[in-house]
Amino acid sequence: QKEVEQDPGPLSVPEGAIVSLNCTYSNSAFQYFMWYRQYSRKGPELLMYTYSSGNKEDGRFTAQVDKSSKYISLFIRDSQPSDSATYLCAMSLSGTYKYIFGTGTRLKVLA
Amino acid sequence: DTGVSQDPRHKITKRGQNVTFRCDPISEHNRLYWYRQTLGQGPEFLTYFQNEAQLEKSRLLSDRFSAERPKGSFSTLEIQRTEQGDSAMYLCASSLATGTSGGTDTQYFGPGTRLTVL
Repeated sequence: QKEVEQDPGPLSVPEGAIVSLNCTYSNSAFQYFMWYRQYSRKGPELLMYTYSSGNKEDGRFTAQVDKSSKYISLFIRDSQPSDSATYLCAMSLSGTYKYIFGTGTRLKVLA
Repeated sequence: DTGVSQDPRHKITKRGQNVTFRCDPISEHNRLYWYRQTLGQGPEFLTYFQNEAQLEKSRLLSDRFSAERPKGSFSTLEIQRTEQGDSAMYLCASSLATGTSGGTDTQYFGPGTRLTVL
């Protein structure tokens, strides 16, 4: 079993929809949770960074962490075709600097 | 701030050849990371440096792989005697140490070097 599980998709939604992307994890010691966006053949771009449980909002993006369920989510409101990309979740332990990534979910927003 | 840069962006080589990649981190970032990403997978950690010291290496980093960061600025990743299984995107990231113990840093990634071993 992988430490971080993520549905690879693809997930197709119409423009303007609310998108929900999720990851589950097995290591309860993870403390830091990140979401990256990766366009085809490009490097990952940081979207959200959260510590421990709770919600964090930045523009159209909201990240949620539920440590009791070992489940994190990224919500995208008013999705746009330009949001079409692979979304990677990543996690790390306190005091360590390597990130553990999920496999990524491929999102397609249809115009 | 020009971001993390990597060179070359693409490399095609024949099995058994040696290849070297370069990464230039965001200026003043003192931590530098190498990851490998294969098709349909997330990045996998290979190694990281704090300044010029290599502080952690993954078991993925076989003895054919070596990374250096000689002056605490740019870094190189060399693969000797390449194999077809080495074909992947090699990503470099950098971060600024927060100075707080028990924390973690925000890592910023470069565009990657795509390696194809024939």
